[in-house]
Amino acid sequence: SQQGEEDPQALSIQEGENATMNCSYKTSINNLQWYRQNSGRGLVHLILIRSNEREKHSGRLRVTLDTSKKSSSLLITASRAADTASYFCATDPFTNAGKSTFGDGTTLTVKP
Amino acid sequence: KAGVTQTPRYLIKTRGQQVTLSCSPISGHRSVSWYQQTPGQGLQFLFEYFSETQRNKGNFPGRFSGRQFSNSRSEMNVSTLELGDSALYLCASSLVGGEVGEAFFGQGTRLTVV
Repeated sequence: SQQGEEDPQALSIQEGENATMNCSYKTSINNLQWYRQNSGRGLVHLILIRSNEREKHSGRLRVTLDTSKKSSSLLITASRAADTASYFCATDPFTNAGKSTFGDGTTLTVKP
Repeated sequence: KAGVTQTPRYLIKTRGQQVTLSCSPISGHRSVSWYQQTPGQGLQFLFEYFSETQRNKGNFPGRFSGRQFSNSRSEMNVSTLELGDSALYLCASSLVGGEVGEAFFGQGTRLTVV
């Protein structure tokens, strides 16, 4: 079973708009991470938020974490065409041996 | 600081053959994990090595194996290749791995089995 599940599966917006994607997970976590993957390439680590943090910023990225709802959101502000990619959340990547700790991701398309 | 390096980037093999993939972690990182990514199954955890020891293992058959060297470089081997093994194989390195590990991924090796 998957630990992290992203929502929506696909998102299409215009350049300059904000993009919000959500992640839900099942069990308690120590940290949650967001990654970006450009088509067929490796993952790029975006941001890590620990279970005792509620919000974290990095450039145009804002991540929130609600441990009571077991959910996280990633907000990309003032999106650019270069933000077009799949975005994944992952929880404690190494502690769920045998289970997919990543969801299928949210595919974001930013139209110029 | 150099990132995680995976070689080769692309590989085409025939069913029944075996393949070895290589991953060089970020300097100083001791944990290396391997993942398989396919369109249908998403990212699936294969195994994690830390200080030359396999610390975690996913639900993959014994045809999938790995090892880690004293310099933290890791190799993954798949024997008796099947068509379903076609995938993007990613490795990730982190300082200590485990529950506080912040993982950095390589570009992956695209394996095609024909």
